[in-house]
Amino acid sequence: DGGITQSPKYLFRKEGQNVTLSCEQNLNHDAMYWYRQDPGQGLRLIYYSQIVNDFQKGDIAEGYSVSREKKESFPLTVTSAQKNPTAFYLCASSSTRHNEQFFGPGTRLTVL
Amino acid sequence: SQKIEQNSEALNIQEGKTATLTCNYTNYSPAYLQWYRQDPGRGPVFLLLIRENEKEKRKERLKVTFDTTLKQSLFHITASQPADSATYLCALRAGSARQLTFGSGTQLTVLP
Repeated sequence: DGGITQSPKYLFRKEGQNVTLSCEQNLNHDAMYWYRQDPGQGLRLIYYSQIVNDFQKGDIAEGYSVSREKKESFPLTVTSAQKNPTAFYLCASSSTRHNEQFFGPGTRLTVL
Repeated sequence: SQKIEQNSEALNIQEGKTATLTCNYTNYSPAYLQWYRQDPGRGPVFLLLIRENEKEKRKERLKVTFDTTLKQSLFHITASQPADSATYLCALRAGSARQLTFGSGTQLTVLP
């Protein structure tokens, strides 16, 4: 069953802590993306990666970091430098030839 | 500045009617435009893609138009059903950019 998975579904963090969100895909897609969605707003791009060992900042990269050591995996770390991290985080992937994006189920992060 | 606007935050229509959602953009020259459906607490699901040289695209009860002169895309759902209730997002990719830019979405409610 091909798809994209994110874990955990809900995540709670204390202020000042770093936290890592997992994203895995078995679609053999080259490109992967992280978005943030706040209530009533569209998706804002945090980071994207078009190939293993390479990634680019999106529109709101400050306070976030990523790695792309494997084609299948694109974890996102929310650092303590992110001032307002409570949000719904979505991971997506796409092939290089067909640009529609396939999204994971999302991780809802709450900072306590 | 570049902007994508979806016509309204919420749209209510009666079952069986045609729903029409609008996506307007400024200061973009999009290579193509995409429409996604998002249910509460879930990731978006790709519906349709229309390229800059296409006027119209259809898929079952869905129809998308793209007018690069008006800088507008219209998304139609004919014979709407309560199961069509969701938030619909438009997204566009400009030029050679790999990343999509999303609108904030229109929440459609189809009343039985």
